[in-house]
Amino acid sequence: AQRVTQPEKLLSVFKGAPVELKCNYSYSGSPELFWYVQYSRQRLQLLLRHISRESIKGFTADLNKGETSFHLKKPFAQEEDSAMYYCALKWEGSRLTFGEGTQLTVNP
Amino acid sequence: DTAVSQTPKYLVTQMGNDKSIKCEQNLGHDTMYWYKQDSKKFLKIMFSYNNKELIINETVPNRFSPKSPDKAHLNLHINSLELGDSAVYFCASSQRGEETQYFGPGTRLLVL
Repeated sequence: AQRVTQPEKLLSVFKGAPVELKCNYSYSGSPELFWYVQYSRQRLQLLLRHISRESIKGFTADLNKGETSFHLKKPFAQEEDSAMYYCALKWEGSRLTFGEGTQLTVNP
Repeated sequence: DTAVSQTPKYLVTQMGNDKSIKCEQNLGHDTMYWYKQDSKKFLKIMFSYNNKELIINETVPNRFSPKSPDKAHLNLHINSLELGDSAVYFCASSQRGEETQYFGPGTRLLVL
C-alpha cells in the first residue's frame, strides 16, 4: 500500500540557517511526488513537484528512488517560510496521499 | 475571480444537526475532491468526483454524502453531526491528466 512519512512533526530553525524537511514514501508503482504548503490559516497550495525539477521560493526537492525519499531543502530559511509543509504522493491517476505534515518555524 | 471557493468559512453547530458545505471551482476542471484536516493537521481524502461521477469514496461514515450537481460544484452534506466531525474541510479540484490540485480556503466546522 502507498504511504508517505514525514518523521518530523515540528521543525524549528533560525533565520538564515539551512532547512531540510524529510519525506519518505512507500509505493510499488512509479511515484509522482509533491510538496504542498499551508501558511497560517490559508489554503493549501502547491509548492513544487518532482517532475518539473524546479526551485520555488528557494526550495528544491530531489526524488531519490533508491532511498524512497523526496526531502525538501532550502539553504537559507526566511521567517516567511514558517508554515505547515505536506509531502504528497500521487497514485491511481488522481489520488493524493499526504504525509502527516511538518510545522516549520523560522525564528528571527 | 477566486479559483476554488467554499461556503461557509466557519460553521458552528450542535451535535445531531444536519449541515451542508458548498464548493465551487471556476477553473474548468473535471475532478473535485473533499479532504478532512483534523486537529492534528492530518489531511485525508474523503471523496472525489470526476465529471459528476463518484470515483473515490474512502472509509467515511454514511452520514457524509457528497453531491455534484455539475462538474463545477461539489457539495458535502453531513447528517447527525458528531463531536468528532469537528475539523477543517477542504475542497480541491484538478484536471484529469494534470498533477496539481487546487485547494479551497477550507471550512472550519465546530460541533458542540
